[in-house]
Amino acid sequence: NAGVTQTPKFQVLKTGQSMTLQCAQDMNHNSMYWYRQDPGMGLRLIYYSASEGTTDKGEVPNGYNVSRLNKREFSLRLESAAPSQTSVYFCASTSPRGGKNNSPLHFGNGTRLTVT
Amino acid sequence: AQSVAQPEDQVNVAEGNPLTVKCTYSVSGNPYLFWYVQYPNRGLQFLLKYITGDNLVKGSYGFEAEFNKSQTSFHLKKPSALVSDSALYFCAVRDIDAGDYKLSFGAGTTVTVRA
Repeated sequence: NAGVTQTPKFQVLKTGQSMTLQCAQDMNHNSMYWYRQDPGMGLRLIYYSASEGTTDKGEVPNGYNVSRLNKREFSLRLESAAPSQTSVYFCASTSPRGGKNNSPLHFGNGTRLTVT
Repeated sequence: AQSVAQPEDQVNVAEGNPLTVKCTYSVSGNPYLFWYVQYPNRGLQFLLKYITGDNLVKGSYGFEAEFNKSQTSFHLKKPSALVSDSALYFCAVRDIDAGDYKLSFGAGTTVTVRA
C-alpha cells in the first residue's frame, strides 16, 4: 500500500519555465490537497479538491493551477515559475468517517522545487 | 476562520526528560485538533487527534496531548523523550462546523533531544 505518491522528488526550474507536479493516492480518498512548506511559515494550502470533479482555491493559489484528473490523481501546475515559488510541495488526501470531517490528512513525501 | 500558533520555534531536552510542545488554536466554533511529526526529507506523519470526549488523547510513539478548551490549547507531551523523537512537529486545527476537510497548520516546532 503506497499511500500518497508524489513525483518528481526534486526539480530545478529557471524563471518562466513551466512544470506539473504529480500526485496519486491509492486509499480511495475523496479529498485531495496541495500545500507548500516554507521555513517558519508552516504549511499553507494552495488548492484542494473536496471530491472528484471539484477544485477550490486555498490560502496561496496565485501562480498555480490544479487538475483533479480522476479520484486517484491531483496535479499541480506552475505555468511560469518564479523564485518565490521555491518551496517544498506536499500533496495530501483524506476521506470522511461516519460523515464527520475529523479524519487526518495523509501526506506524500514532498517535491523539493528550486526556481532560479 | 481558523488558525494555530506554536509559540516556540525550538525545544531542546535531554533524553529521558519530559517533552512538551505547545500549541494554541483559534476557531469560530469547536475544533478538531491534530499533531503531526516530520522527519528530514519526509512528509508529515499523523501522531494523534482530539475529536471530543476525554481531554487527554494518546497517540503514536508514546505521545499524548491535552485539550484545554478554556485556554484554547492542545499541548503535545511525552513523559520520557528519546533521541529519535528529534523532528519537526506541527499542530493543526479544523473547525468542526466547516463543510470541508481543510487543516490550518502552525509554523512548526523543532524538537532536539540530546543524548
